[in-house]
Amino acid sequence: KQEVTQIPAALSVPEGENLVLNCSFTDSAIYNLQWFRQDPGKGLTSLLLIQSSQREQTSGRLNASLDKSSGRSTLYIAASQPGDSATYLCAVRRGNAGNMLTFGGGTRLMVKP
Amino acid sequence: DTGVSQNPRHKITKRGQNVTFRCDPISEHNRLYWYRQTLGQGPEFLTYFQNEAQLEKSRLLSDRFSAERPKGSFSTLEIQRTEQGDSAMYLCASSPWTGEGYEQYFGPGTRLTVT
Repeated sequence: KQEVTQIPAALSVPEGENLVLNCSFTDSAIYNLQWFRQDPGKGLTSLLLIQSSQREQTSGRLNASLDKSSGRSTLYIAASQPGDSATYLCAVRRGNAGNMLTFGGGTRLMVKP
Repeated sequence: DTGVSQNPRHKITKRGQNVTFRCDPISEHNRLYWYRQTLGQGPEFLTYFQNEAQLEKSRLLSDRFSAERPKGSFSTLEIQRTEQGDSAMYLCASSPWTGEGYEQYFGPGTRLTVT
């Protein structure tokens, strides 16, 4: 059974810092990995999708990497801003006929002005 | 069509009542998913449709839960005889079928409170 873990569970940083969020998964047979952002009481916004054949994806100040063999992904946020405060979730899609996403518990990020 | 929509956004009900939620996916997305999220946790998969066919169900989906997608467009999730443990955010997502790499797009969710 796939298990996804995110460390740290919570993070508080001053504005302007570069930061790294970690995601690990137990079964390396994945099709892809998605990073999401969730604001309190809201739905999920997709940030980045990395295919199993890719090693990284970039969007603006965000960069996500994937190391399938070690079961790890990182989300790098450059020059953090208070508006980045949210919960960040990673999710993996199984590498077989299944289509469900398995989510980690999320990292709650607070960026202080 | 700007995204996945869900109605209602909030539902408060008394234990034992039945509730029904609706999800409208992005147009032409033939795959639709339901997830449940409790406070402080990541979403957990409930069920998945390809067009009108329900192809996968989680063990979380007890006999009190039923989901339909009758014409392959919108979907409904019904919970019968609600229990306090059903209190959660119910999230719907849709995706196109473009091979392996498709992305799931989520709606705003329906927050259910069972009193």
